[in-house]
Amino acid sequence: EVQLLESGGGLVQPGGSLRLSCAASGFTFSNYAMSWVRQAPGKGLEWVSGISGSGDITYYADSVKGRFTISRDNSRNTLYLQMSSLRAEDSVVYYCAKSGHNSGTRLSPFDSWGQGTLVTVSS
Amino acid sequence: QPVLTQSSSASASLGSSVKLTCTLSSGHSSYIMAWHQQQPGKAPRYLMKLEGSGSYNKGSAVPDRFSGSSSGADRYLTISNLQSEDEADYYCETWDSNTHVVFGGGTKLTVL
Repeated sequence: EVQLLESGGGLVQPGGSLRLSCAASGFTFSNYAMSWVRQAPGKGLEWVSGISGSGDITYYADSVKGRFTISRDNSRNTLYLQMSSLRAEDSVVYYCAKSGHNSGTRLSPFDSWGQGTLVTVSS
Repeated sequence: QPVLTQSSSASASLGSSVKLTCTLSSGHSSYIMAWHQQQPGKAPRYLMKLEGSGSYNKGSAVPDRFSGSSSGADRYLTISNLQSEDEADYYCETWDSNTHVVFGGGTKLTVL
């Protein structure tokens, strides 16, 4: 059974940094691209960033480009999102999501989701 | 880049059927997409992958009441014998090499 478990959310001041983690199990982690998706309260889903299975190709939404860095450690089956220069509008729930395509490069469609971790940016 | 358009809300009675629609923008009618369900206060849950041919592949433990179909640029999610737990937000999602992952705005389904 695929399991994705996010951690690292919390309260951070505007302009600060935070690193999210997503521990994966139940599948061959390195074979699948992974993504981070976020959701503001009462709003829809917004794709944030994705990374190939090998970790050598990364993708970002314009809203976070230059501020967020996605990475992965295939030896630890863990996905990361390093967030910096955080703004109030980054205060949302962040989900990690697994691609359903085993090419290692195709980001989507997603076939598994984590439970989410809440980030709050506030002074 | 693809745009996915969904109605913001839908409603249907307990035990009845409902058909939700996600429309792909012009030039993207052949795209593969997925449907996800998000019950109140919970994380999204993958329901199925749906191709332009209408062929679909459901996630594990997704009830038989959920099915997919396609017609041109429209992708449908049909839920039969509606249950109270089907009251949720439903999102469609697709992928493009330029815009990467795109979500529809979501449809809020109310079970009456």
